[in-house]
Amino acid sequence: GAVVSQHPSRVICKSGTSVKIECRSLDFQATTMFWYRQFPKKSLMLMATSNEGSKATYEQGVEKDKFLINHASLTLSTLTVTSAHPEDSSFYICSALWSVSSTDTQYFGPGTRLTVL
Amino acid sequence: GQQLNQSPQSMFIQEGEDVSMNCTSSSIFNTWLWYKQEPGEGPVLLIALYKAGELTSNGRLTAQFGITRKDSFLNISASIPSDVGIYFCAGQFGGNEKLTFGTGTRLTIIP
Repeated sequence: GAVVSQHPSRVICKSGTSVKIECRSLDFQATTMFWYRQFPKKSLMLMATSNEGSKATYEQGVEKDKFLINHASLTLSTLTVTSAHPEDSSFYICSALWSVSSTDTQYFGPGTRLTVL
Repeated sequence: GQQLNQSPQSMFIQEGEDVSMNCTSSSIFNTWLWYKQEPGEGPVLLIALYKAGELTSNGRLTAQFGITRKDSFLNISASIPSDVGIYFCAGQFGGNEKLTFGTGTRLTIIP
């Protein structure tokens, strides 16, 4: 159990276009999902917390108009990188919160590698 | 954002050796987690610790939640080639709250 998928796994786009990344919890419902960004050989940095049915909470320094998050159902959150630029190239990873018997655990997706040309 | 300090940054060991790494924070956490990440993949949860002083094992892995709640360590016994990867610690205040990740320890096994 507790499987999280991401789609696409890799995407290459031209500068100025928008890219949507999907995060799905496959075998459980997640009212809360998280979006992280990871640069090569660096740790994961939290971008935002996505809550089903409400607005996402963004970390300091993350532009909410640049990184649009929609958590429309209990199994799906999307991250849209708008007007992407080369500096947005990165590895984007989501996690979904699985709550069982008062224990909450984050399970991570396999990541999406975005390359902006 | 805040990051936890992990040491060592990288390790080169021979197969069969034991591995020890730790994670320290200037803040208290209520939960400590250890993840492993392989290239091009997301982190996979190895061990979760929920109580100060707790010592938990998962196969050849053992982790402890420091008494001060500001540190944790992970040991891997009798390392094997598939242990290669980057190990991250993560701290959490509440169960449904965000994770703060460590800087990572890259483990390489020398044949």
